[in-house]
Amino acid sequence: KAGVTQTPRYLIKTRGQQVTLSCSPISGHRSVSWYQQTPGQGLQFLFEYFSETQRNKGNFPGRFSGRQFSNSRSEMNVSTLELGDSALYLCASSFAGGTEAFFGQGTRLTVV
Amino acid sequence: EDQVTQSPEALRLQEGESSSLNCSYTVSGLRGLFWYRQDPGKGPEFLFTLYSAGEEKEKERLKATLTKKESFLHITAPKPEDSATYLCAVESQGAQKLVFGQGTRLTINP
Repeated sequence: KAGVTQTPRYLIKTRGQQVTLSCSPISGHRSVSWYQQTPGQGLQFLFEYFSETQRNKGNFPGRFSGRQFSNSRSEMNVSTLELGDSALYLCASSFAGGTEAFFGQGTRLTVV
Repeated sequence: EDQVTQSPEALRLQEGESSSLNCSYTVSGLRGLFWYRQDPGKGPEFLFTLYSAGEEKEKERLKATLTKKESFLHITAPKPEDSATYLCAVESQGAQKLVFGQGTRLTINP
């Protein structure tokens, strides 16, 4: 059974640019969540999608957005990148919210 | 607001030396408490879910327990390959999100 797949694994972007990250969940999982991990703040929740609907959103600025497609694949977008957006972005999928969430390997974003 | 505090921040043990990691939490209504293991540069790997006080789960050298205020991850006779950061997270009723602690960085010396 394939795990959660995130692409790309690594990204280097310049301040002011925008970026789109992709997440393919485990087959049959309909809930996809996104987290930002930094050494100082740890893992922080960005948003959660279930059946193409955003059910919860974390305390991040509007530059961070996401969406989910009918096949449960999800994308997140960060516009007008800032140096502080450099982090490991993790996607997790679960059958439904509240059940075990399985994480992908993450996308390492570096903003220069 | 849901909160999770893990202690210690870092723990160094000799191979075979058993110990416990602590996860204290405050949550409005617990739906589940989760333990993950994370190796450097990788995503967290799911270990256990605990749903109610008194529940225990085991996997190889690891055993997780839960009370109404905290959870313990007991590691028995650890090996160097158990070295990793161990993360604790809670999900409250209706939240659809995990709130993580800062993790415990465990190092097992051969």
